[in-house]
Amino acid sequence: AQKITQTQPGMFVQEKEAVTLDCTYDTSDQSYGLFWYKQPSSGEMIFLIYQGSYDEQNATEGRYSLNFQKARKSANLVISASQLGDSAMYFCAMREGPQGAQKLVFGQGTRLTINP
Amino acid sequence: NAGVTQTPKFRVLKTGQSMTLLCAQDMNHEYMYWYRQDPGMGLRLIHYSVGEGTTAKGEVPDGYNVSRLKKQNFLLGLESAAPSQTSVYFCASGFRGGYTFGSGTRLTVV
Repeated sequence: AQKITQTQPGMFVQEKEAVTLDCTYDTSDQSYGLFWYKQPSSGEMIFLIYQGSYDEQNATEGRYSLNFQKARKSANLVISASQLGDSAMYFCAMREGPQGAQKLVFGQGTRLTINP
Repeated sequence: NAGVTQTPKFRVLKTGQSMTLLCAQDMNHEYMYWYRQDPGMGLRLIHYSVGEGTTAKGEVPDGYNVSRLKKQNFLLGLESAAPSQTSVYFCASGFRGGYTFGSGTRLTVV
């Protein structure tokens, strides 16, 4: 069964608009972490934002925020005021497993294209 | 601060050859991971390690072996390379709240 599901293979957004990238997850753990990474065409993996399962507030990092809805098991990434440089692949990931045996698993990704 | 360093960056192998990919981190992280990324797809976990001397299988371990003899190094081995192992390989190290990735190794098996 897919642990991380990203249902949007591709998205096209006009520059300066806000964009929401969807991510749903599946775990029976009480303690877990959710991450978003950006992969530009150059190929490197860039960490964007982290949300712990016990964090009550939604995480924010500059123009990035994570809309965490625990009951729905969703962790959507919101990018405000999109820029041309935001064009990239975006991956949602989850850290799960018991202490001392934790894995980091990824979704299939969403390719975001920002149009001028 | 080097972070996570992967060597080599590129490699072409013939079917049946063997090779070892090296991942080195200087952040004293306990957790290290090896992933493969195929075109247009996400990262799939091959093997991982939760500390020196320990390794565990991920989602796609077949055809690969790993070792973590020193905390800072995590080696990925291909004993007999196959064309299906053509991919980009990423190493990551980290802890609960954050993971740092290497720049990747592009491996082609012909």
